[in-house]
Amino acid sequence: AQSVAQPEDQVNVAEGNPLTVKCTYSVSGNPYLFWYVQYPNRGLQFLLKYITGDNLVKGSYGFDAEFNKSQTSFHLKKPSALVSDSALYFCAVRVRYSGAGSYQLTFGKGTKLSVIP
Amino acid sequence: NAGVTQTPKFRVLKTGQSMTLLCAQDMNHEYMYWYRQDPGMGLRLIHYSVGEGTTAKGEVPDGYNVSRLKKQNFLLGLESAAPSQTSVYFCASSDGYRGGEKLFFGSGTQLSVL
Repeated sequence: AQSVAQPEDQVNVAEGNPLTVKCTYSVSGNPYLFWYVQYPNRGLQFLLKYITGDNLVKGSYGFDAEFNKSQTSFHLKKPSALVSDSALYFCAVRVRYSGAGSYQLTFGKGTKLSVIP
Repeated sequence: NAGVTQTPKFRVLKTGQSMTLLCAQDMNHEYMYWYRQDPGMGLRLIHYSVGEGTTAKGEVPDGYNVSRLKKQNFLLGLESAAPSQTSVYFCASSDGYRGGEKLFFGSGTQLSVL
């Protein structure tokens, strides 16, 4: 089955330290990968996406993500965490729905990031 | 620019009652989606639409119906609510069909079924 996995339910990091939120994927063919962020009582917001090209993708709010084909990973990174980065982060991958001929996003279970002052 | 608007924001139902959730987008997007979000399970796709007058089943469609009579609106209906449908519901829209375009989400509807 085509899917993404986020192995950590929660990540705690001190303010100013680098942060990594992990994501691995399982798809056939070339993956389309995404990161979304959800702040409390809000809908999800797009951070960045990888479709093709450079393995390092730059996104919003100072976040980057590194695509690693050999490890089937797409980890989200930021060099210096802010308290305001505390939120729920979702990795997603494009999958094809049989019969409809269309592509949809399948989301991971989410990782709660807490940045400690 | 309002983006994606969901109504209502909160609702409490009794088992067996029916209700409709409304999603409206003002970005002229072709694609619209309904997701549910449950703790520890992430987001799961209920139904989606690739254009006005079309709908399709997602990952967890049972117990829900949808309609897309106008391009800007996507309605999610619960005909006979069950406690298992207690969840936070998100509507989203996008302007493409190849899956490379980003989704724009509403702020959610928190539904409790007693």
